[in-house]
Amino acid sequence: KQEVTQIPAALSVPEGENLVLNCSFTDSAIYNLQWFRQDPGKGLTSLLLIQSSQREQTSGRLNASLDKSSGRSTLYIAASQPGDSATYLCAVPQTGANNLFFGTGTRLTVIP
Amino acid sequence: EADIYQTPRYLVIGTGKKITLECSQTMGHDKMYWYQQDPGMELHLIHYSYGVNSTEKGDLSSESTVSRIRTEHFPLTLESARPSHTSQYLCASSGPTGGQPQHFGDGTRLSIL
Repeated sequence: KQEVTQIPAALSVPEGENLVLNCSFTDSAIYNLQWFRQDPGKGLTSLLLIQSSQREQTSGRLNASLDKSSGRSTLYIAASQPGDSATYLCAVPQTGANNLFFGTGTRLTVIP
Repeated sequence: EADIYQTPRYLVIGTGKKITLECSQTMGHDKMYWYQQDPGMELHLIHYSYGVNSTEKGDLSSESTVSRIRTEHFPLTLESARPSHTSQYLCASSGPTGGQPQHFGDGTRLSIL
């Protein structure tokens, strides 16, 4: 069974800093990896999806990388802003299906 | 922007009541999912559907049931709510192929007294 781990569990940074969130998974036979953002009491907003054939994806200040062979992904956030404060989740699909396995997330706080 | 809607957003109700959580999507997605999330914990899949009249149980055992009579609608029902059902329930949908992203609703936060 796929297991997803995210480090760190929580992170506080001053506004303007660049930061990296880490995600690792145990089963490298994945279709893709998806990064989400979750605000308190809300649902999930999809940020980036990396296909298994890709090494990275970029959207604005966000850059996600994928190293399938080592079972790792990183989410890089440039020039962080207070509005980036949220919990960031990574998720990978179960092999042969499309339901996702989630990590417990990294709770990010950007201090003005 | 994904168009997937969940109602109600919040529900506080007494033990023993029958509850239906609604989920609708306007994207024509065949695949739909229900996840359960306890505070500070990861999401766990409790039900999924690959199309009309198709429903399967997920990894986390749940006393809830689902139905898929129409493509756009995937309601979840608890016949007799208990305090142990208190949680956040998130609905998602995705396109037909394995490489497509899942889009989530805003969730229903359920509290059983």
